[in-house]
Amino acid sequence: GDSVTQMEGPVTLSEEAFLTINCTYTATGYPSLFWYVQYPGEGLQLLLKATKADDKGSNKGFEATYRKETTSFHLEKGSVQVSDSAVYFCALSGRNTGNQFYFGTGTSLTVIP
Amino acid sequence: DGGITQSPKYLFRKEGQNVTLSCEQNLNHDAMYWYRQDPGQGLRLIYYSQIVNDFQKGDIAEGYSVSREKKESFPLTVTSAQKNPTAFYLCATGQGASRRVRETQYFGPGTRLLVL
Repeated sequence: GDSVTQMEGPVTLSEEAFLTINCTYTATGYPSLFWYVQYPGEGLQLLLKATKADDKGSNKGFEATYRKETTSFHLEKGSVQVSDSAVYFCALSGRNTGNQFYFGTGTSLTVIP
Repeated sequence: DGGITQSPKYLFRKEGQNVTLSCEQNLNHDAMYWYRQDPGQGLRLIYYSQIVNDFQKGDIAEGYSVSREKKESFPLTVTSAQKNPTAFYLCATGQGASRRVRETQYFGPGTRLLVL
């Protein structure tokens, strides 16, 4: 069945460091791919998405490119800030899942000054 | 102010008690979802509804029940049959299943359920 595998954390970075959080997926057909962010005690917020191969989603300095050949959707940011400290979830939604979502287990990021 | 509201923010349940978590939306979305989140884990789907008066079980429906009498509301009841209810519960909405549109899900702020 469809699934998402996400890089395990926790990840700790210094402010202004480069961030990569790996995400790979298994799906039949052509799913849509998402990154969500969860701050402590809150719900999930949509960070970015991509709906077809080679699409690049971007928001607030974060980027991820839908790579069908490697079935990946890695999240990157060139210079992290303390305020980026949160848990990041990769997710997919596809026709074969009836538009249901499949989430990764989440990666906790802590940015230290 | 558009969005998804969940209440209460914290809920305490006594042994053998049923409790109901509220989820209301004014986004005019057809689909609504309930997820459970345990510490350090991803989200697991409890129930979902694509249209009023219809809903389906998710991966972990046992011990839970839902209703969808109005488009705006999708309350979740945690019954006494759910033996390990302590978790963070998230409600989400989406525009609805479509063969041509892959929907995005939008989340409420969550309710934390604790057992006394």
